[in-house]
Amino acid sequence: DIQMTQSPSSLSASVGDRVTITCQASQDISNYLNWYQQKPGKAPKLLIYDASNLDTGVPSRFSGSGSGTDFTFTISSLQPEDIATYYCQQFGDLVPYTFGQGTKLDIK
Amino acid sequence: QVQLQQWGAGLLKPSDTLSLTCVVYGGPFSGYYWGWIRQPPGKGLEWIGEINHSGSTNYNPSLKSRVTISIDMSKNQFSLKLTSVTAADTAIYYCASSRGFSSSWYYRFDYWGQGSLVTVSS
Repeated sequence: DIQMTQSPSSLSASVGDRVTITCQASQDISNYLNWYQQKPGKAPKLLIYDASNLDTGVPSRFSGSGSGTDFTFTISSLQPEDIATYYCQQFGDLVPYTFGQGTKLDIK
Repeated sequence: QVQLQQWGAGLLKPSDTLSLTCVVYGGPFSGYYWGWIRQPPGKGLEWIGEINHSGSTNYNPSLKSRVTISIDMSKNQFSLKLTSVTAADTAIYYCASSRGFSSSWYYRFDYWGQGSLVTVSS
């Protein structure tokens, strides 16, 4: 299985800050990586697919980049409604799909 | 707009069989793979498995010996069975679309059910 190492596991930032989360794959997955946002008590929501494509309706302050083994997720200007846990997920080897451990983001 | 609604028993005893069903509204049921993901309380996400309209399945090797996913095309439903549950299977279980087809296959969990908390306790 491909292991996904996500960091940091938690993060505090101020409104308006630029926030960056990284995800590292245990082997080359090309651009086969998605990012999800999960708010408490809710199902995850797809934000970014294929490493850098914004899903429909997702605000442009969210972005993703990377390929191979190293990926980055960025919020350009943190908003209060962005408080959530964020997960990366790979499909480079097809199955099994695996997720990073998650990054819990809150407001400082 | 595709919507998923899921249901099933929420409290099980050790060695019971977990059974959940998910119905899909508002979309092309046959153009997707449909699957299950679980999340232990306060922890991360684990993919369980998926099925397509022809009944072709893929399972997580860590659960493969205990998992069966089935599909009922006539009802736009798919189901999860997990046998011999233990406390370690206590989790929120989500149904979701796992692959779609446009001009080619794409791989992402686009659509999600609301989640079902399943607790295993004696």
